Amino acid sequence: QSVLTQPPSASGTPGQRVTISCSGRSSNVGGRPVNWYQQLPGRAPKLLIHNSDKLSSGVSDRFSASKSGTSASLAINGLQSEDEAVYYCAVWDDSLKAVVFGGGTRLTVL
Amino acid sequence: QVQLVESGGGVVQPGKSLRLSCAASGFTFRTDAMHWVRQAPGRGLEWVGFIWYDGSEKEYGESVKGRFTISRDNSKNMVYLQMNSLRGEDTAVYYCARDPAGSGWALDSWGQGTLVTVSS
Repeated sequence: QSVLTQPPSASGTPGQRVTISCSGRSSNVGGRPVNWYQQLPGRAPKLLIHNSDKLSSGVSDRFSASKSGTSASLAINGLQSEDEAVYYCAVWDDSLKAVVFGGGTRLTVL
Repeated sequence: QVQLVESGGGVVQPGKSLRLSCAASGFTFRTDAMHWVRQAPGRGLEWVGFIWYDGSEKEYGESVKGRFTISRDNSKNMVYLQMNSLRGEDTAVYYCARDPAGSGWALDSWGQGTLVTVSS
């Protein structure tokens, strides 16, 4: 059971907009910046978004993210087949004194 | 460009020890915190721990506390993960990752990972 809750799966057709949620608590998402990672099959994770809404260098601007209270979300506009991957949210937890990851959301492009 | 290369993985028996290494290049290593993250086969990412840029602070995930130790040698641009009392559930790909100063715990560069298999 992950400290951060993500839906296990999401899907969309090419060109669609998809959002992935990440729910936490006051000790993590509610008080700390959220980071989002993309992991393509067989590859190491890649930082997409840092500080809750800042696009990482070289990442397509089709990706965006936001945070409100104890929830955060990642949005992908203009979905493409290359976006098929597992997406993770992560944040520092002040109570646990640890980085916590969401369980990951597997995105399928139909 | 930033490069992180892990090594030291392999097959090890339960209860034994193993030390992983991560060689860093392409950035000012001594100014950045470093993390270890692992991923069991078919599972999600699990944070193992981190070490501050100067080694003065370290934190570990609950599942490895008391068994794993992170260290670094800033003169060699290396970070290490000493794993003792290994268990089957420690079987995973282990990644080292960079946490630039002021990044808000964002891991902006990752190695390719090294596989550790704990089995008799």
